[in-house]
Amino acid sequence: GAGVSQSPRYKVAKRGQDVALRCDPISGHVSLFWYQQALGQGPEFLTYFQNEAQLDKSGLPSDRFFAERPEGSVSTLKIQRTQQEDSAVYLCASSFSSPDTQYFGPGTRLTVL
Amino acid sequence: KNQVEQSPQSLIILEGKNCTLQCNYTVSPFSNLRWYKQDTGRGPVSLTIMTFSENTKSNGRYTATLDADTKQSSLHITASQLSDSASYICVVSALTGANNLFFGTGTRLTVIP
Repeated sequence: GAGVSQSPRYKVAKRGQDVALRCDPISGHVSLFWYQQALGQGPEFLTYFQNEAQLDKSGLPSDRFFAERPEGSVSTLKIQRTQQEDSAVYLCASSFSSPDTQYFGPGTRLTVL
Repeated sequence: KNQVEQSPQSLIILEGKNCTLQCNYTVSPFSNLRWYKQDTGRGPVSLTIMTFSENTKSNGRYTATLDADTKQSSLHITASQLSDSASYICVVSALTGANNLFFGTGTRLTVIP
C-alpha cells in the first residue's frame, strides 16, 4: 500500500513568511510524529499525535511552530514568521501505535532565505 | 540523560568490501533498538529491530548485533554495493513516554567503485 507522503517536497520561503507542511500518514496508523532534521544530523523530535490528540509537543522549538491533526489522519505543521534557523528537512512518520516501527515520509526540505 | 552515539561519523569503502558501524546508547529503560537506512533526499527506512533478548538480527547483507549489557550495537554490511551509500541511523526506544525514540546522528557511508 501507499507509504507516508509529504508535500511539498521542497519549500523556499523568505524570512518572515508563514509556511504549512502537510503529512499524509499510512491509512489506519494511529500515531503520527513530526521531526526536524538538520543537515548531517539525526532527526529531532518535534511533536506526536495519537489520532487527533496532540499528546506531546515538547520538541517544538518556539511558539511559532504549530501542528494539528484535526480528523486523526492528515497532519499539518505550520511555521509562522520563518527564520533562517528553521531551514531543515521536516520529516513525518506514522505507526500503527506508539511503540511500533515508524514509517517515514520523504520529508519536506525547507529553506528560509 | 538518554543519548545515542554513533561512530564513525562517516566512512568510505570500496565496493565489495565489508564494514561495521557502531552505536552506543544510554537509553533507559530500554525497549528496542532499530537501525534505519536513509538515502539522500528520502526518509529513513527500517532495516532491523532488536529487543532486549535478541543479540543478532539479519536482513540480507545487513547484520545487526546487540549487547544489552554494555549497551552497544553494531551494523555489519557484507559485500557492499554502490546502493548501500546512505546514512545509517541507530534509534533506541525507551519503554516509557510518548516521545520514546532517541536518534543517533547517523553514519554517512559512501561506497565507491
